[in-house]
Amino acid sequence: KNQVEQSPQSLIILEGKNCTLQCNYTVSPFSNLRWYKQDTGRGPVSLTIMTFSENTKSNGRYTATLDADTKQSSLHITASQLSDSASYICVVSPYNNDMRFGAGTRLTVKP
Amino acid sequence: DVKVTQSSRYLVKRTGEKVFLECVQDMDHENMFWYRQDPGLGLRLIYFSYDVKMKEKGDIPEGYSVSREKKERFSLILESASTNQTSMYLCASSLGLVLAKNIQYFGAGTRLSVL
Repeated sequence: KNQVEQSPQSLIILEGKNCTLQCNYTVSPFSNLRWYKQDTGRGPVSLTIMTFSENTKSNGRYTATLDADTKQSSLHITASQLSDSASYICVVSPYNNDMRFGAGTRLTVKP
Repeated sequence: DVKVTQSSRYLVKRTGEKVFLECVQDMDHENMFWYRQDPGLGLRLIYFSYDVKMKEKGDIPEGYSVSREKKERFSLILESASTNQTSMYLCASSLGLVLAKNIQYFGAGTRLSVL
């Protein structure tokens, strides 16, 4: 069973709207949690990295939150743009040089 | 800008062929990684290397080997390609350990089809 579960699998929103992507994990303990953006046909690109002591981290219109007690993270996208269409991947690192990847959420932003 | 370059975007090979996937990074990073990405699954680690000539098995090393003769280059080798190795292969590098919040930089990927 994957230790990192993301929901929804896919999402379609209209340009300008906000959305929130979810990540639940069972990895414990962990050193950090990351969100990546992967455009079609490209490799993933890092958006945010948070340790267990950080509750929120922003990168422009992207805001990640982390609740280490409930083992949940979310990625909130504000005022979506067509270029936000991509897969968003949640990654949790245990206390070793390892990374556990979620399957990703496929976001489509329509005009 | 960090650049991780994978030699091929698309490859088509036949069952039983020996396949080489090449990856080069230009930022003097210590760590390099090979993943495969399949629909509905997260990225799965095949091998990683934390230094020249050093390698560690990841989650799914069976059917693969790697080579790191120079710091900037990390090669993935499929000794005898099989159809279940059809996948997207992603190379990544990082300056230090990922547990220390070091950023991983990914290449664009190689989509391999084994017929």
